[in-house]
Amino acid sequence: GNSVTQMEGPVTLSEEAFLTINCTYTATGYPSLFWYVQYPGEGLQLLLKATKADDKGSNKGFEATYRKETTSFHLEKGSVQVSDSAVYFCALRFQGAQKLVFGQGTRLTINP
Amino acid sequence: EPEVTQTPSHQVTQMGQEVILRCVPISNHLYFYWYRQILGQKVEFLVSFYNNEISEKSEIFDDQFSVERPDGSNFTLKIRSTKLEDSAMYFCASSGEVGEKLFFGSGTQLSVL
Repeated sequence: GNSVTQMEGPVTLSEEAFLTINCTYTATGYPSLFWYVQYPGEGLQLLLKATKADDKGSNKGFEATYRKETTSFHLEKGSVQVSDSAVYFCALRFQGAQKLVFGQGTRLTINP
Repeated sequence: EPEVTQTPSHQVTQMGQEVILRCVPISNHLYFYWYRQILGQKVEFLVSFYNNEISEKSEIFDDQFSVERPDGSNFTLKIRSTKLEDSAMYFCASSGEVGEKLFFGSGTQLSVL
């Protein structure tokens, strides 16, 4: 079946550190890939997405590249801030389908 | 930015009791969803709802679950007879069209004792 696996958290970094949160997927076909973020006390928000192989999604300094050959969509940011502390969810969805398939989420804490 | 609102933020109930989780989707959206996350596990799709009927549901969404849009603004999830394993964070979401960005609420933490 279709599934998403994220690196286990929690992840704790210092401000200005480089961030990578790994995400790999298993899917029959070529889904769209997403990263959602949940800040404390808020709902999940779409952070970025990529709809086909080699696409790069980017937003707020975060980037992720759709890698078909490694079935991965790793989230990266060159210099994290305290305000990036949140839970990050990787997800996939097939075109025309309604449901998102999520990973388990990775809690990120950035210390000043 | 418009918001999806969920109430209550926390709900505690006794096993076997009925519980209704409430959501107010974004006003011009047409597609509505419920997801849940059991502590430490993945966010799981429960059900999608369009044009006043269920359009897709997961194997989790058994006869104990039901959804309703009782008026033009609310979207509810009812669990008829709660079990311990129903304890989870329940997220409501809505979108304007299929394939469009989903807007999520901040969730209702349900604890079944």
